Amino acid sequence: NAGVTQTPKFQVLKTGQSMTLQCAQDMNHEYMSWYRQDPGMGLRLIHYSVGAGITDQGEVPNGYNVSRSTTEDFPLRLLSAAPSQTSVYFCASRSGSPTYEQYFGPGTRLTVT
Amino acid sequence: AQSVTQLGSHVSVSEGALVLLRCNYSSSVPPYLFWYVQYPNQGLQLLLKYTSAATLVKGINGFEAEFKKSETSFHLTKPSAHMSDAAEYFCAVSPNNDMRFGAGTRLTVKP
Repeated sequence: NAGVTQTPKFQVLKTGQSMTLQCAQDMNHEYMSWYRQDPGMGLRLIHYSVGAGITDQGEVPNGYNVSRSTTEDFPLRLLSAAPSQTSVYFCASRSGSPTYEQYFGPGTRLTVT
Repeated sequence: AQSVTQLGSHVSVSEGALVLLRCNYSSSVPPYLFWYVQYPNQGLQLLLKYTSAATLVKGINGFEAEFKKSETSFHLTKPSAHMSDAAEYFCAVSPNNDMRFGAGTRLTVKP
């Protein structure tokens, strides 16, 4: 049981480049989400999904796109990378009622130069 | 809307001393509350959660937290700090379709 997996672990992009951060879970959770972590700001929600075909914006969605074609996968796309998107990105999936327990991936450290 | 505020971005205690990390929440509905721990260069690990059952919640590694509705608080405590407790701790609130995190408290344990 792998839980939540993320690839890549590290990535360096130039300003304006695009890329996709991959996330997969094998727990059959309907709910998945993407966070970014910046020093002194905790984790901020970028986008989330409550099931295949359904996505919604979180606190800081600008510059990011998501889609959810399967229960297992929830990729995050950076359309045109900017230095302000330098961060650590975490994917998470969450069980439903009654525990609502959220499981995190190991993170992707992204640097945009 | 729901949010959490963690009081103190850095807390330093001596080994063996009481650990107290503060979290206050704001929620328009009965909240689910969580504490997560993050060790350097790792993801987040669940320490404990409150989901409207017992107000005193026991978690892993000797940590516990008490839900106090009158104070809108969910402070994390551990009676005796260990060097291995040095990490960053995050309080979070749910159960709407997102989980909101506090800014985090970095715990340092001095020998």
